[in-house]
Amino acid sequence: DQQVKQNSPSLSVQEGRISILNCDYTNSMFDYFLWYKKYPAEGPTFLISISSIKDKNEDGRFTVFLNKSAKHLSLHIVPSQPGDSAVYFCAASGNTDKLIFGTGTRLQVFP
Amino acid sequence: DTGVSQDPRHKITKRGQNVTFRCDPISEHNRLYWYRQTLGQGPEFLTYFQNEAQLEKSRLLSDRFSAERPKGSFSTLEIQRTEQGDSAMYLCASSFGRTGQGGEKLFFGSGTQLSVL
Repeated sequence: DQQVKQNSPSLSVQEGRISILNCDYTNSMFDYFLWYKKYPAEGPTFLISISSIKDKNEDGRFTVFLNKSAKHLSLHIVPSQPGDSAVYFCAASGNTDKLIFGTGTRLQVFP
Repeated sequence: DTGVSQDPRHKITKRGQNVTFRCDPISEHNRLYWYRQTLGQGPEFLTYFQNEAQLEKSRLLSDRFSAERPKGSFSTLEIQRTEQGDSAMYLCASSFGRTGQGGEKLFFGSGTQLSVL
């Protein structure tokens, strides 16, 4: 049972444009959501997070939006840069400390 | 501080052999996590420790898997009688305190890539 879903395995965006990565979840008990970025041969690194009491969190070029009624969150990157090319994982947690990850979306930003 | 360190980076073994991986967390972090990632999937939770106490284990973790954190510092993950399905990237992560609503970030190591032939 995949509780966190990223239905787009890949996304290609031109440099300077907006990248929108989507994530859906099924477990109503999730109350904290995170995005991690992963480069090849490295572990995932934390990017941005959002609590369920908020619907938006912004950090520089990165904004995460949460729609609890739709059980959907999205990560917006604007403007996109070639260095943003990586695999992005959505993750969620509830009343335990373990994170449940999605399958990832590979973002490629081309010049 | 060099972050979370994992050793070895790569391990190739034959089916049926035992393997052990080591993780050194960030020094002041009291929580340590093990995750497994297979191709095309996200990291999958295996187990975690607070100091030396193992607080949760995934039901996916078969009896062939055992993890320890004897002094609340480094941790080892042992897989006995390896099977080809154990081939994966094994990721270790640590945090200063509670993640999720606790607000602490999870820091990952670069992982150990296991190949079982």
